[in-house]
Amino acid sequence: GAGVSQSPSNKVTEKGKDVELRCDPISGHTALYWYRQSLGQGLEFLIYFQGNSAPDKSGLPSDRFSAERTGGSVSTLTIQRTQQEDSAVYLCASSPPSSGGRDTQYFGPGTRLTVL
Amino acid sequence: DQQVKQNSPSLSVQEGRISILNCDYTNSMFDYFLWYKKYPAEGPTFLISISSIKDKNEDGRFTVFLNKSAKHLSLHIVPSQPGDSAVYFCAASRGNYQLIWGAGTKLIIKP
Repeated sequence: GAGVSQSPSNKVTEKGKDVELRCDPISGHTALYWYRQSLGQGLEFLIYFQGNSAPDKSGLPSDRFSAERTGGSVSTLTIQRTQQEDSAVYLCASSPPSSGGRDTQYFGPGTRLTVL
Repeated sequence: DQQVKQNSPSLSVQEGRISILNCDYTNSMFDYFLWYKKYPAEGPTFLISISSIKDKNEDGRFTVFLNKSAKHLSLHIVPSQPGDSAVYFCAASRGNYQLIWGAGTKLIIKP
């Protein structure tokens, strides 16, 4: 079946503009994660959605970052007033319903964001 | 403060030989560890995991070893194949969904 998809694959924007990144998880997966990977760094957790529960936003670096997940499926990560330090690859992952939080995460190909 | 460290940015190994990728962690509360593999322009894919109650887990050519006293884990690939050339990430969790990731090691398999 289809994997996790993300769009756009690349986004170049000017400092101060807002951007929206989209993630389509695998059908039936209840958990959805957003990560950021800056050059030469590991993945940095941003936000976690699980079903209808309140999201865990503890990884969002500032209030310029927000995310929504509509209908328990598609998610949008929004960055307002982008800064050059926001340049990174933004990765989305989803995982199936199960217990314990030890589920394999399935990743999309990422969106490479460049802020000029 | 990096809680998960992969100190080798890259590693080059001859095809057919053993590849050993290392990972160190600082938080003794981590109880589950994973290795992911990433090809260029793709997202990471899950490779193998190990719980802290074990010291070894094997899956085909891939074996993960965990040394809790040293806070060290390693991934062994034997024999190494050209398709194993990728970036390998170590990740750890403290009993929930949040994974703490290392910076990755780029493995190059030479023919």
